[in-house]
Amino acid sequence: EAQVTQNPRYLITVTGKKLTVTCSQNMNHEYMSWYRQDPGLGLRQIYYSMNVEVTDKGDVPEGYKVSRKEKRNFPLILESPSPNQTSLYFCASSPTSARPYQETQYFGPGTRLLVL
Amino acid sequence: SQQGEEDPQALSIQEGENATMNCSYKTSINNLQWYRQNSGRGLVHLILIRSNEREKHSGRLRVTLDTSKKSSSLLITASRAADTASYFCATPPLDTGRRALTFGSGTRLQVQP
Repeated sequence: EAQVTQNPRYLITVTGKKLTVTCSQNMNHEYMSWYRQDPGLGLRQIYYSMNVEVTDKGDVPEGYKVSRKEKRNFPLILESPSPNQTSLYFCASSPTSARPYQETQYFGPGTRLLVL
Repeated sequence: SQQGEEDPQALSIQEGENATMNCSYKTSINNLQWYRQNSGRGLVHLILIRSNEREKHSGRLRVTLDTSKKSSSLLITASRAADTASYFCATPPLDTGRRALTFGSGTRLQVQP
């Protein structure tokens, strides 16, 4: 089944404890991105990747890192989480095209993160 | 304010009724997309309508696009309890340097059985 998977789905952590949220897609998509969703603020892009080893900042990249060593995986890294990073996180991917960020996005199920 | 703004913010109807949601946007687009999100879950793509299309159907969904008014509507016919979700319109960036869709704030639809 074509899908985007994220792990973990739920995570409670404490301030400053490094964590990684994994994202994997099995659709051979080149474009992948991370969003966070907060009440009243909607979905905001954190980072995106146009292809392997090509990543760039989105709208709210502060406090996050990403890597893209393989096409299928795009992990989100929080080196030193803070309470303001408590949010619902989504990974998304899109089929290869001239401008994949303009086309249909396939979202993962989400990771709900609570930073104490 | 956001590129896409949905209206109404919340809608409650009875099963079997039709639900209509509207989206307004500000800048030129080459397509407009609608997504559904069940509570706390991932967004699911419903339909994409291109700027040269006026209407598109998919099952019980009907989407219209009026580029002169910069607005779109999503109609769900014969609603079911399973249609209860939040619905978002999304527009792609054009000539802005952004590499992400801009999502509206969503319409929360409640379908009462």
